[in-house]
Order: sequence, then C-alpha cells, then structure tokens
Amino acid sequence: SAVISQKPSRDICQRGTSLTIQCQVDSQVTMMFWYRQQPGQSLTLIATANQGSEATYESGFVIDKFPISRPNLTFSTLTVSNMSPEDSSIYLCSVEDELGLAGLNEQFFGPGTRLTVL
Amino acid sequence: AQSVTQLDSHVSVSEGTPVLLRCNYSSSYSPSLFWYVQHPNKGLQLLLKYTSAATLVKGINGFEAEFKKSETSFHLTKPSAHMSDAAEYFCVVSDNTGGFKTIFGAGTRLFVKA
Repeated sequence: SAVISQKPSRDICQRGTSLTIQCQVDSQVTMMFWYRQQPGQSLTLIATANQGSEATYESGFVIDKFPISRPNLTFSTLTVSNMSPEDSSIYLCSVEDELGLAGLNEQFFGPGTRLTVL
Repeated sequence: AQSVTQLDSHVSVSEGTPVLLRCNYSSSYSPSLFWYVQHPNKGLQLLLKYTSAATLVKGINGFEAEFKKSETSFHLTKPSAHMSDAAEYFCVVSDNTGGFKTIFGAGTRLFVKA
C-alpha cells in the first residue's frame, strides 16, 4: 500500500485568494488523482495528473481554476485559484495501486485538506 | 458508461443488530468494486474489494459484500453492528474502459444506536 500525506490539513482563506495543496507519496506512482468532496457530498474527480504531461480534467473543472503540477513521481500540487465560498470542500489526493493485480484499480487516499473560504 | 447507486442516503441500526448497505452498479465490462469507509474528520479507508476470484468478499472489521452479477449489486453487510461502525460508507466502481475511471456512490451514512 502507499502512504500519502497532504499539506495543509486544513485552512481558512479569504475570497479571491489562492491556495496550493501539496500531496506527497512514499513510493513512485504513475498516476495521481485529485478529488473534491463538498460538504455532505460524495467524492468527485477533479483531474488526473501524470508525471511529464498535462493533467487531464474532468467535465466541469478547468486548468485556470485548478492548476496542477506533477514535477516527479512522488509529488503533486493542486491550486484552488480565485477562491469563493463555493470552493469550501475537502480536497483529497489519491494514487492507484500499481502493484496490484491487473484490473484491480484499488486506490489509496490521502487524509484530505479541509478548505473553508470566507 | 459506469455508474453506481447507493440506495439509502442513511441507515440507522441498533448496536448488535445486522447492517445492510445497498449498492447497485452499471458497467460495460467486468468492473472492480470497492467499499470505502470515512469516519468523521478522518481519511478514506478501504473496507473490501471485489477481485473476481470469489463473489463473497470479506473485509476488515467483520464486513463482507456479495457480488451478484445478475442483480448488478454489491451490498455491504455485517452481522452485528458496533458503535464504532458509525461512519459514511462509499460504494465505488472502476474499470479500464476508455482509460482509468473511478466512480463514487453518493454515500450512505450509518448511524448506530446504543
């Protein structure tokens, strides 16, 4: 299994500012994923980040709002730009179990970053 | 296209009684199926996963789930609820059709009464 850490664990931010969330994995992985969990909601995939290429965004999410970096195989950042109260959510980083059986697709999740925008 | 439906937004049981959390899925191909648990202010933890080796899957903390292809279901059960089981539970489906895709269900909040 992979151990994932995220920084910060939580933050309170002002409207119009930006916050960068860091995700660190204890092993090299090809694919890293960023999810959003709005209050009382399920998880929604924001984007998939592969090292050495542009992130792939899901419908409803754009690079200008959620720029992602993936400088190496163990690290990624997600920036929430020009924040509004609607961006208040938990943001989770995830990686796939690349040592698992083919087709298993198990994912490991970081502890999440709880963001509150005032 | 994949989808997953958790039929109950919340379930309330008494401690010591059985737990049933329902999940139905749709997938074009043989999917991978998972149940995750999220305790308040904690990260997501994998409870169990369907690997196609056995239709009855046993997980941690006494939970198990049965894959029923004919019913496209993957319900989560536990014979006897414990207070510590109170949490949010997510049914998850993923497959590799058209690229890696994981879809989370809406979640079921389990309440356990003393």
